[in-house]
Amino acid sequence: EIVLTQSPTTMAASPGEKVTLNCLASSSVSYMNWYQQKSGASPKLWIYGTSNLASGVPNRFSGSGSGTSYSLTISSMEAEDVATYYCLQLSSYPYTFGAGTKLELK
Amino acid sequence: QVQLKESGPGLVQPSQTLSLTCTVSGFSLTSNSVHWVRQPPGKGLEWVGAIWSGGSTDYNSALKSRLSISRDTSKSQVFLKMNSLQTEDTAIYFCTRWVRDWGQGVMVTVSS
Repeated sequence: EIVLTQSPTTMAASPGEKVTLNCLASSSVSYMNWYQQKSGASPKLWIYGTSNLASGVPNRFSGSGSGTSYSLTISSMEAEDVATYYCLQLSSYPYTFGAGTKLELK
Repeated sequence: QVQLKESGPGLVQPSQTLSLTCTVSGFSLTSNSVHWVRQPPGKGLEWVGAIWSGGSTDYNSALKSRLSISRDTSKSQVFLKMNSLQTEDTAIYFCTRWVRDWGQGVMVTVSS
């Protein structure tokens, strides 16, 4: 089973600040998906295939990475970005999620 | 548009069997996969398993011995059955199309 380790576990960012969330895989994966989940809501696909923004996702978000190291970047933090972000690998079974990064507003 | 809705009992007794239904609309089960994902209260997401467009299934190895996923394409429904439930199975259970489009989830509590 591929273990995904997300860092940091929690972080607070100020409006306008650049934010980078990391996802490290225990073995190489072909690509990574990212999900945004707000409190009390279902997760939403946010980034797919490592770097493709899902429909409706603001272009201040971007994704990158390869092999075992992936990241989600927000170029300029906004209040609406407060949420928990999860990475998901679909390269091997069982599919596995990271434990999530909770992003708060400073 | 694509919609998924989970349904099932909110409360299940320990050692009993959980049966959940995911009713979909806006897409065909013969052309899309449906996955189940669960989330214990206050915790992260766990992939449970999937049924593929051709009807084959894959399961989380940690749950495989207790889990069955099936479907009725004529009714656009996907079913999850999990036996020998324990308190650790208490979670919100989501069904998703291709892990892209998500249902609202159904809360399942395992308690006597």
